Amino acid sequence: DGGITQSPKYLFRKEGQNVTLSCEQNLNHDAMYWYRQDPGQGLRLIYYSQIVNDFQKGDIAEGYSVSREKKESFPLTVTSAQKNPTAFYLCAGSSGRTGELFFGEGSRLTVL
Amino acid sequence: GENVEQHPSTLSVQEGDSAVIKCTYSDSASNYFPWYKQELGKRPQLIIDIRSNVGEKKDQRIAVTLNKTAKHFSLHITETQPEDSAVYFCAAYDYKLSFGAGTTVTVRA
Repeated sequence: DGGITQSPKYLFRKEGQNVTLSCEQNLNHDAMYWYRQDPGQGLRLIYYSQIVNDFQKGDIAEGYSVSREKKESFPLTVTSAQKNPTAFYLCAGSSGRTGELFFGEGSRLTVL
Repeated sequence: GENVEQHPSTLSVQEGDSAVIKCTYSDSASNYFPWYKQELGKRPQLIIDIRSNVGEKKDQRIAVTLNKTAKHFSLHITETQPEDSAVYFCAAYDYKLSFGAGTTVTVRA
């Protein structure tokens, strides 16, 4: 089995705490992405990375941080600066040339 | 950046009828237009896509059309079945994928 693996699937956090969502891929994708999805809404881009050691802000980067130290890994940290972090987070990978995204199963974060 | 608008936001159809979802995009540099289907609590799944050098593509009961001049593209589902009930997203790609807000499709038996 393989593809895009996200963990944990469910996560609960107290206000003021940072939390890191893991995203690992074994598809040799150059590009990786983090999207946020709120109930009844579309997918909004948080951060993306097209090569190792480089990443760019998406449309809603405030309160989030990422790293891309390895091609296989693109973790997302939801910081205490994110005012409304409860959401469904989706990681995706792409070969970059075609644009086709392969999504992980998602991580559902709830702030208590 | 790219702005993708999707209509309608909800669509209810009788089983066996057709469903049509329309999207517009703003960036003429976008060259790849996928459609994703998302069931409740699941990840989006690619169902069909089209590139900017093609005007129409069909895969069994689903088809997508693209009008580059007008910057719009549409998803057509024929002979709808209950399992077609889901949220459908269009997207446009230049160097990143921008999504529409989604259409909730309900197929009535």
